[in-house]
Amino acid sequence: NAGVTQTPKFRVLKTGQSMTLLCAQDMNHEYMYWYRQDPGMGLRLIHYSVGEGTTAKGEVPDGYNVSRLKKQNFLLGLESAAPSQTSVYFCASSYPPGTEAFFGQGTRLTVV
Amino acid sequence: AQSVTQLDSQVPVFEEAPVELRCNYSSSVSVYLFWYVQYPNQGLQLLLKYLSGSTLVKGINGFEAEFNKSQTSFHLRKPSVHISDTAEYFCAASRRNNDMRFGAGTRLTVKP
Repeated sequence: NAGVTQTPKFRVLKTGQSMTLLCAQDMNHEYMYWYRQDPGMGLRLIHYSVGEGTTAKGEVPDGYNVSRLKKQNFLLGLESAAPSQTSVYFCASSYPPGTEAFFGQGTRLTVV
Repeated sequence: AQSVTQLDSQVPVFEEAPVELRCNYSSSVSVYLFWYVQYPNQGLQLLLKYLSGSTLVKGINGFEAEFNKSQTSFHLRKPSVHISDTAEYFCAASRRNNDMRFGAGTRLTVKP
């Protein structure tokens, strides 16, 4: 029972490079979320999805794009990475909407 | 969207002492409340949740929290802490069919 799986676990990017973070869940959850975690700021919501084919902006969406082509997958893209995007990224899913969220183990991204 | 305020960024306490981690939320409608724990280099794990019903909620590892609607608070308590409780604790709030928002976190340090 995998739960929520994030790929990759670590990544170093150069400024201006692009990358995609993959989140996969096997719990048939409708809602999926992407958060970033920075020291002293807790988890801030980047984007979320309420179902396959839908996405919505969270608190800090600038510089990120997302897609939810399949119910089980939620992709987070950085088109042109900046040092300010150095962070730990967490994916989560929940069902029914608004109740307990299950988290992945996180992706530590460093932009140099 | 609702906001969540954790009133203490750091709480040092001696082993076997009681502890309270404070959380306030702002919402004018029914809200779901959660406490999560994060151990170093790991994802978030649910401690307890309030969805409806009894205002005193019991969770894992001996933690409990009380929902106080008039004070819009959801404080986390444990009567006797252990060294192994050292971790970061996050309060979160959501509304049905809406996203989940987190507080900035409280770092609990249990000293021998």
